[in-house]
Amino acid sequence: AQSVSQHNHHVILSEAASLELGCNYSYGGTVNLFWYVQYPGQHLQLLLKYFSGDPLVKGIKGFEAEFIKSKFSFNLRKPSVQWSDTAEYFCAVTPYTGRRALTFGSGTRLQVQP
Amino acid sequence: KAGVTQTPRYLIKTRGQQVTLSCSPISGHRSVSWYQQTPGQGLQFLFEYFSETQRNKGNFPGRFSGRQFSNSRSEMNVSTLELGDSALYLCASSLAGTGDHEQYFGPGTRLTVT
Repeated sequence: AQSVSQHNHHVILSEAASLELGCNYSYGGTVNLFWYVQYPGQHLQLLLKYFSGDPLVKGIKGFEAEFIKSKFSFNLRKPSVQWSDTAEYFCAVTPYTGRRALTFGSGTRLQVQP
Repeated sequence: KAGVTQTPRYLIKTRGQQVTLSCSPISGHRSVSWYQQTPGQGLQFLFEYFSETQRNKGNFPGRFSGRQFSNSRSEMNVSTLELGDSALYLCASSLAGTGDHEQYFGPGTRLTVT
């Protein structure tokens, strides 16, 4: 069975700082990778996704992530965070079988201070 | 286009009772998945339905069940409720049963078991 590790549980940054959240997965086959965000009081929203092709994917709100297959990693980045980025971020993976069973990481709570 | 809707949004039940939660997917989406979110266990996959058939099931006891109707709406049922079933139950819909399609999440149903 696959698993996802998010090493940073709680990150505190000042506005304009750069962000990188780590995500590693364990699965021997081809995977689809996702980052979801949950803003306070809101439902899960898709930030970005990787299915195939260019390993550097760009998502909404200036976020991007890089899939490094050799490291089983899919780290999320943003060059300059804003107070409105305060939220919980979840990395998720599903095997490339067409099934929809997402395996989520434990989440990273990001707090951006103005 | 309307998003995924879930009813009810909040529910309080007593141990031993049963509960039914409802999910209406985005129009045209035929795959519906259910997840449980708790502070301790995070986001965990319950099951997925496509074309009224359960295609995938997570590691939950048989007290958790679901079904999907011909209009793709889905319900999940939890029988003999336990205190540990208190959680946010999320429904996600996807365009198709196979291929590269992301899941869109609803706002969830907050279940409290007393």
